[in-house]
Amino acid sequence: NAGVTQTPKFQVLKTGQSMTLQCAQDMNHEYMSWYRQDPGMGLRLIHYSVGAGITDQGEVPNGYNVSRSTTEDFPLRLLSAAPSQTSVYFCASRIIGDDEQYFGPGTRLTVT
Amino acid sequence: AQRVTQPEKLLSVFKGAPVELKCNYSYSGSPELFWYVQYSRQRLQLLLRHISRESIKGFTADLNKGETSFHLKKPFAQEEDSAMYYCASSGSARQLTFGSGTQLTVLP
Repeated sequence: NAGVTQTPKFQVLKTGQSMTLQCAQDMNHEYMSWYRQDPGMGLRLIHYSVGAGITDQGEVPNGYNVSRSTTEDFPLRLLSAAPSQTSVYFCASRIIGDDEQYFGPGTRLTVT
Repeated sequence: AQRVTQPEKLLSVFKGAPVELKCNYSYSGSPELFWYVQYSRQRLQLLLRHISRESIKGFTADLNKGETSFHLKKPFAQEEDSAMYYCASSGSARQLTFGSGTQLTVLP
């Protein structure tokens, strides 16, 4: 199993540009989520999904969109990138009913 | 709302010394508590969870409901323990809430 994979590993955007961070898992986990990791703030939940076709907002959803068309994939879209979105983004998945989350390797995003 | 507090951003200890990483939580129900670890250039991974009561890599953590704490302890720190440690709690909505993390450095 590859587990949770994320692409790209690094990305630099200009303010106003849009892009999609990809996340995929091959463990048939129903629950998937996106976090951002900022120094001194830990990990904050952006959006999550409990299954295909179902998404919901987390703690810091503004400026981000998600969709879940399949169990495996959970892309995160930045609609109009802002410098405040410079961060490391982690995707995670788990089985519903078990709180242990499996994390991807992260995407380091810089918005200039 | 849940809140997880890790008061120390940075913690340095010498190899062989005891180490304790503090974590306090606020939740009125019965949360599940976790410690996640992120070694340099690696992804976050679960270190231990309170319901399993395991000792992983020599680390233990006891849930103290009276003090709402879940401190992580190891009697003899090793250099390979140097990493970022996150405490996390899961409440009724089963969402993980993370603390701000503690960067542990074990000095030779």
